[in-house]
Amino acid sequence: AQTVTQSQPEMSVQEAETVTLSCTYDTSENNYYLFWYKQPPSRQMILVIRQEAYKQQNATENRFSVNFQKAAKSFSLKISDSQLGDTAMYFCAFGDTDKLIFGTGTRLQVFP
Amino acid sequence: DAMVIQNPRYQVTQFGKPVTLSCSQTLNHNVMYWYQQKSSQAPKLLFHYYDKDFNNEADTPDNFQSRRPNTSFCFLDIRSPGLGDAAMYLCATSREMDSPSYNEQFFGPGTRLTVL
Repeated sequence: AQTVTQSQPEMSVQEAETVTLSCTYDTSENNYYLFWYKQPPSRQMILVIRQEAYKQQNATENRFSVNFQKAAKSFSLKISDSQLGDTAMYFCAFGDTDKLIFGTGTRLQVFP
Repeated sequence: DAMVIQNPRYQVTQFGKPVTLSCSQTLNHNVMYWYQQKSSQAPKLLFHYYDKDFNNEADTPDNFQSRRPNTSFCFLDIRSPGLGDAAMYLCATSREMDSPSYNEQFFGPGTRLTVL
Protein backbone atom coordinates (compact mmCIF):
# COMPACT_ATOMS: atom_id res chain seq x y z
CA ALA A 1 0.00 0.00 0.00
CA GLN A 2 1.11 3.52 -0.72
CA THR A 3 2.12 5.76 2.17
CA VAL A 4 2.94 9.46 2.33
CA THR A 5 5.07 10.98 5.08
CA GLN A 6 5.44 14.64 5.98
CA SER A 7 8.00 14.90 8.74
CA GLN A 8 7.55 18.59 9.53
CA PRO A 9 4.37 19.24 11.51
CA GLU A 10 5.03 22.98 11.61
CA MET A 11 7.22 25.41 9.74
CA SER A 12 7.61 29.15 9.82
CA VAL A 13 9.18 31.62 7.43
CA GLN A 14 9.55 35.35 7.17
CA GLU A 15 7.78 37.19 4.42
CA ALA A 16 9.79 37.30 1.15
CA GLU A 17 12.00 34.41 2.23
CA THR A 18 12.08 30.89 0.78
CA VAL A 19 10.84 27.78 2.56
CA THR A 20 10.92 24.09 1.63
CA LEU A 21 8.37 21.55 2.83
CA SER A 22 9.38 17.91 2.78
CA CYS A 23 7.44 14.87 1.62
CA THR A 24 8.41 11.28 1.08
CA TYR A 25 6.28 8.44 -0.16
CA ASP A 26 6.39 4.74 -0.75
CA THR A 27 5.01 2.92 -3.76
CA SER A 28 5.82 0.04 -6.07
CA GLU A 29 4.13 1.73 -9.02
CA ASN A 30 6.04 3.35 -11.84
CA ASN A 31 3.46 5.76 -13.22
CA TYR A 32 1.63 7.99 -10.78
CA TYR A 33 0.92 11.57 -9.85
CA LEU A 34 1.93 13.59 -6.82
CA PHE A 35 0.21 16.70 -5.53
CA TRP A 36 0.60 19.49 -3.04
CA TYR A 37 -2.63 20.89 -1.67
CA LYS A 38 -3.01 24.05 0.39
CA GLN A 39 -5.71 24.51 3.02
CA PRO A 40 -5.82 28.06 4.43
CA PRO A 41 -7.45 28.58 7.83
CA SER A 42 -11.23 28.14 7.49
CA ARG A 43 -10.98 27.99 3.73
CA GLN A 44 -11.21 25.24 1.19
CA MET A 45 -8.44 22.98 -0.01
CA ILE A 46 -6.93 23.98 -3.30
CA LEU A 47 -4.34 22.38 -5.54
CA VAL A 48 -0.97 24.12 -5.50
CA ILE A 49 1.04 21.99 -7.88
CA ARG A 50 1.14 18.51 -9.40
CA GLN A 51 3.88 16.30 -10.77
CA GLU A 52 3.61 13.39 -13.15
CA ALA A 53 6.08 10.68 -12.19
CA TYR A 54 7.02 9.90 -15.78
CA LYS A 55 8.20 13.48 -16.30
CA GLN A 56 11.75 14.16 -15.19
CA GLN A 57 11.32 17.93 -15.23
CA ASN A 58 10.25 19.41 -11.92
CA ALA A 59 6.89 21.16 -11.98
CA THR A 60 6.74 24.90 -11.40
CA GLU A 61 3.79 27.20 -10.79
CA ASN A 62 4.85 30.81 -10.28
CA ARG A 63 6.44 30.98 -6.80
CA PHE A 64 5.87 27.28 -6.16
CA SER A 65 8.18 24.56 -7.39
CA VAL A 66 8.91 20.98 -6.53
CA ASN A 67 12.04 18.92 -6.20
CA PHE A 68 10.94 15.49 -7.40
CA GLN A 69 13.45 12.71 -6.79
CA LYS A 70 11.80 9.56 -8.10
CA ALA A 71 14.49 7.11 -7.05
CA ALA A 72 14.53 8.54 -3.55
CA LYS A 73 10.71 8.82 -3.51
CA SER A 74 10.93 12.39 -2.40
CA PHE A 75 8.67 15.27 -3.39
CA SER A 76 9.45 18.55 -1.65
CA LEU A 77 7.70 21.87 -2.20
CA LYS A 78 9.64 25.11 -2.40
CA ILE A 79 7.84 28.39 -1.86
CA SER A 80 9.83 31.40 -3.00
CA ASP A 81 9.17 34.98 -1.97
CA SER A 82 6.78 33.84 0.75
CA GLN A 83 3.66 35.93 1.26
CA LEU A 84 1.34 36.29 4.23
CA GLY A 85 -1.36 34.59 2.18
CA ASP A 86 0.76 31.44 2.01
CA THR A 87 -0.07 30.77 5.66
CA ALA A 88 -1.93 27.45 5.57
CA MET A 89 -1.79 23.71 6.07
CA TYR A 90 0.01 22.03 3.22
CA PHE A 91 -0.77 18.43 2.34
CA CYS A 92 1.33 16.23 0.12
CA ALA A 93 -0.72 13.58 -1.67
CA PHE A 94 -0.11 10.53 -3.83
CA GLY A 95 -2.59 9.83 -6.62
CA ASP A 96 -3.58 6.18 -6.40
CA THR A 97 -5.91 4.89 -9.14
CA ASP A 98 -9.14 6.31 -7.80
CA LYS A 99 -8.17 8.14 -4.64
CA LEU A 100 -5.62 10.34 -2.96
CA ILE A 101 -3.33 9.23 -0.17
CA PHE A 102 -2.60 12.26 2.00
CA GLY A 103 0.31 12.97 4.30
CA THR A 104 -0.34 14.32 7.77
CA GLY A 105 0.26 17.90 6.69
CA THR A 106 2.65 20.74 7.50
CA ARG A 107 1.35 23.89 9.08
CA LEU A 108 3.18 26.86 7.54
CA GLN A 109 3.15 30.25 9.22
CA VAL A 110 4.46 33.25 7.29
CA PHE A 111 5.54 36.14 9.52
CA PRO A 112 5.74 39.79 8.47
CA ASP B 1 -17.50 29.36 -12.46
CA ALA B 2 -17.55 25.58 -12.28
CA MET B 3 -17.32 24.53 -8.68
CA VAL B 4 -18.09 22.19 -5.81
CA ILE B 5 -20.76 23.46 -3.42
CA GLN B 6 -21.51 22.16 0.05
CA ASN B 7 -24.56 22.93 2.14
CA PRO B 8 -24.86 23.83 4.85
CA ARG B 9 -21.46 25.27 5.76
CA TYR B 10 -22.17 24.75 9.45
CA GLN B 11 -24.44 22.10 10.89
CA VAL B 12 -25.34 21.51 14.51
CA THR B 13 -27.09 18.31 15.51
CA GLN B 14 -27.86 16.47 18.69
CA PHE B 15 -26.31 13.23 19.78
CA GLY B 16 -28.11 10.42 17.97
CA LYS B 17 -30.18 12.67 15.69
CA PRO B 18 -29.76 11.82 12.00
CA VAL B 19 -28.20 14.47 9.83
CA THR B 20 -27.67 14.85 6.07
CA LEU B 21 -24.96 16.89 4.41
CA SER B 22 -25.16 17.76 0.75
CA CYS B 23 -22.72 18.35 -2.05
CA SER B 24 -23.31 19.51 -5.59
CA GLN B 25 -20.96 20.10 -8.47
CA THR B 26 -21.07 21.94 -11.76
CA LEU B 27 -17.87 20.35 -13.07
CA ASN B 28 -19.66 17.33 -14.56
CA HIS B 29 -17.10 15.06 -12.93
CA ASN B 30 -18.02 11.42 -12.65
CA VAL B 31 -16.24 10.73 -9.38
CA MET B 32 -17.37 12.22 -6.08
CA TYR B 33 -15.74 11.74 -2.67
CA TRP B 34 -16.60 12.29 0.96
CA TYR B 35 -13.86 12.96 3.49
CA GLN B 36 -13.89 13.45 7.23
CA GLN B 37 -11.30 15.88 8.54
CA LYS B 38 -10.71 16.40 12.23
CA SER B 39 -8.81 19.33 13.61
CA SER B 40 -5.26 19.65 12.23
CA GLN B 41 -5.41 16.21 10.63
CA ALA B 42 -5.34 15.00 7.07
CA PRO B 43 -8.65 14.31 5.36
CA LYS B 44 -9.80 10.74 5.82
CA LEU B 45 -11.64 9.20 2.90
CA LEU B 46 -15.01 7.75 3.87
CA PHE B 47 -16.24 6.58 0.47
CA HIS B 48 -16.53 7.61 -3.13
CA TYR B 49 -18.80 7.19 -6.10
CA TYR B 50 -17.52 6.33 -9.55
CA ASP B 51 -20.63 7.31 -11.49
CA LYS B 52 -23.26 5.28 -9.60
CA ASP B 53 -20.82 2.69 -8.30
CA PHE B 54 -20.38 3.09 -4.57
CA ASN B 55 -16.97 2.36 -3.03
CA ASN B 56 -16.78 2.19 0.73
CA GLU B 57 -13.50 2.40 2.62
CA ALA B 58 -12.96 -0.63 4.81
CA ASP B 59 -12.77 1.34 8.06
CA THR B 60 -15.75 3.63 7.43
CA PRO B 61 -18.32 3.03 10.19
CA ASP B 62 -21.76 1.74 9.23
CA ASN B 63 -23.14 4.90 10.79
CA PHE B 64 -22.10 6.73 7.62
CA GLN B 65 -24.08 6.26 4.43
CA SER B 66 -24.14 8.03 1.11
CA ARG B 67 -26.47 8.61 -1.81
CA ARG B 68 -25.82 9.90 -5.28
CA PRO B 69 -29.13 10.41 -7.09
CA ASN B 70 -27.51 11.96 -10.17
CA THR B 71 -24.16 13.17 -11.51
CA SER B 72 -24.41 16.55 -9.84
CA PHE B 73 -25.45 15.68 -6.30
CA CYS B 74 -24.11 13.52 -3.53
CA PHE B 75 -25.33 13.24 0.08
CA LEU B 76 -23.69 12.10 3.29
CA ASP B 77 -26.07 10.65 5.85
CA ILE B 78 -24.97 10.14 9.45
CA ARG B 79 -27.60 7.92 11.00
CA SER B 80 -26.79 8.36 14.66
CA PRO B 81 -24.11 11.01 15.19
CA GLY B 82 -21.84 10.59 18.15
CA LEU B 83 -19.57 13.15 19.77
CA GLY B 84 -16.66 11.62 17.90
CA ASP B 85 -18.29 12.44 14.57
CA ALA B 86 -17.84 16.17 15.09
CA ALA B 87 -15.54 17.21 12.26
CA MET B 88 -15.26 19.01 8.97
CA TYR B 89 -16.76 17.00 6.12
CA LEU B 90 -15.26 17.64 2.73
CA CYS B 91 -16.73 16.78 -0.62
CA ALA B 92 -14.47 16.49 -3.63
CA THR B 93 -14.79 15.57 -7.29
CA SER B 94 -12.51 14.31 -9.99
CA ARG B 95 -12.88 13.28 -13.58
CA GLU B 96 -11.97 9.95 -15.01
CA MET B 97 -8.70 9.91 -16.86
CA ASP B 98 -7.06 7.21 -18.87
CA SER B 99 -3.86 5.60 -17.72
CA PRO B 100 -1.59 6.72 -16.13
CA SER B 101 -3.86 7.21 -13.17
CA TYR B 102 -4.56 10.83 -12.53
CA ASN B 103 -6.60 11.98 -9.65
CA GLU B 104 -6.60 15.73 -9.23
CA GLN B 105 -9.47 16.41 -6.91
CA PHE B 106 -11.49 19.59 -6.57
CA PHE B 107 -12.72 20.27 -3.08
CA GLY B 108 -15.75 22.03 -1.73
CA PRO B 109 -15.51 24.44 1.22
CA GLY B 110 -16.65 21.78 3.68
CA THR B 111 -19.42 21.46 6.24
CA ARG B 112 -18.42 21.79 9.87
CA LEU B 113 -20.52 19.44 11.96
CA THR B 114 -21.04 20.02 15.65
CA VAL B 115 -22.65 17.31 17.78
CA LEU B 116 -24.20 18.41 21.07
